[in-house]
Amino acid sequence: QKEVEQNSGPLSVPEGAIASLNCTYSDRVSQSFFWYRQYSGKSPELIMSIYSNGDKEDGRFTAQLNKASQYVSLLIRDSQPSDSATYLCAVPPKGKLIFGQGTTLQVKP
Amino acid sequence: KAGVTQTPRYLIKTRGQQVTLSCSPISGHRSVSWYQQTPGQGLQFLFEYFSETQRNKGNFPGRFSGRQFSNSRSEMNVSTLELGDSALYLCASSLTSGRANEQFFGPGTRLTVL
Repeated sequence: QKEVEQNSGPLSVPEGAIASLNCTYSDRVSQSFFWYRQYSGKSPELIMSIYSNGDKEDGRFTAQLNKASQYVSLLIRDSQPSDSATYLCAVPPKGKLIFGQGTTLQVKP
Repeated sequence: KAGVTQTPRYLIKTRGQQVTLSCSPISGHRSVSWYQQTPGQGLQFLFEYFSETQRNKGNFPGRFSGRQFSNSRSEMNVSTLELGDSALYLCASSLTSGRANEQFFGPGTRLTVL
C-alpha cells in the first residue's frame, strides 16, 4: 500500500460546480495534512493545511479530515477554469513530506 | 517577504558530470527540504536540513548530497550524473523542522542530463 494515495484523474467538472478531491494515507500517527496546487510547469503552492478532524474552510476551499478512516479531502466550490491544475495531497510521517501522485482537475467553461 | 529562491533555474549537463543547486529559504525560515519531481515517480523527498544538520533523508543513492550554511541557505549536489537524474529539483522552506510545519516551495531547477 502506498503511503499516500490519490486518484490521478483527470477529474473534469463544469464551471461553477463543486470539485471533490480525495486522498487516503497509511500513517496512523500523522497529525497534519497539506494540500498543494501545481499548475503545469510551475512549482507546488500550498493552499490548505489541516490538523484536526472535521472541516476547515478558506474561501472557496474546504479541507475535510477523518483520521479514523485515514482520509482527507479537498472541496472546491464554484470551480473556475483557473482552478485547472494538479492537486497534491501531502502527509508528513517522520517529519518528511510524502506526496500523493496528484489529481488533475479540469474545469470546463 | 520574498519567497524561496533557487538558482539556476535551468541546467543542461552530460552523463558523468556533477552539479550543484542552490536554495535560499524565506527570511526567518531555518529548515530546507529538497525534492525531486519526475513524471513517473512524482514528488519524492531527498533530504531535510535544519540548523546545518541533516534531519531526514529519503531513499536516494549517495550521489545525492546536500548541506546547509549558517544563514540557512542550502545547496544540493549530484555527482556522476545519470540520464535518470533529469528532473525538476524543488527546494522547500519552513520555519522549523517537524511534522506540523508548512513547507513553501521555490520555483525549482530543471535539470536535463544528456
